[in-house]
Amino acid sequence: ETGVTQTPRHLVMGMTNKKSLKCEQHLGHNAMYWYKQSAKKPLELMFVYNFKEQTENNSVPSRFSPECPNSSHLFLHLHTLQPEDSALYLCASSQDRTSGSETQYFGPGTRLLVL
Amino acid sequence: QKEVEQNSGPLSVPEGAIASLNCTYSDRGSQSFFWYRQYSGKSPELIMFIYSNGDKEDGRFTAQLNKASQYVSLLIRDSQPSDSATYLCAVHAAGNMLTFGGGTRLMVKP
Repeated sequence: ETGVTQTPRHLVMGMTNKKSLKCEQHLGHNAMYWYKQSAKKPLELMFVYNFKEQTENNSVPSRFSPECPNSSHLFLHLHTLQPEDSALYLCASSQDRTSGSETQYFGPGTRLLVL
Repeated sequence: QKEVEQNSGPLSVPEGAIASLNCTYSDRGSQSFFWYRQYSGKSPELIMFIYSNGDKEDGRFTAQLNKASQYVSLLIRDSQPSDSATYLCAVHAAGNMLTFGGGTRLMVKP
């Protein structure tokens, strides 16, 4: 498989559930990103990992917990979410944060609905 | 606050016309500029990037950059209904994160 993949593609969860989103990139990149995209709002950067180290946490509530076990995999663990967290969650990757190239490639996204 | 501004649209053009999408940015230190296309319900797809002042052409797409005016645009020649999507402008300055605009919705009418 090529590019950036995300699973699941769709997720419905209750506010007391715990779930995880998975992202995998097959591009040999070293930087990975989580974005949130809500209706009629710009892309919101959530987290950045560069060479497995978290370099950005954009004031994201603790009910979102990222994990990056290696440069190819990125997870977003979800617990006790709120209905306003319903959105499209996008994973992206780029060569790395120090190469000067910020060309980011996106996965297909996970459409999350919190009931 | 580093900002990237786009007119939300919709921008409506007839099939075969040239669609012109505009983007302004606030950070004078910005070095890299990207255009993404996003179909409804799908993820952003990179169309083009540009680093230097002037024009860069790729098929029916032309990106134009004017750093003095802090302005980047995307021209789509011979617009097709399949070009109907939201176009996102993204700007990067060294040491900073990639910043996205809110996107312009383009509608190409047959």
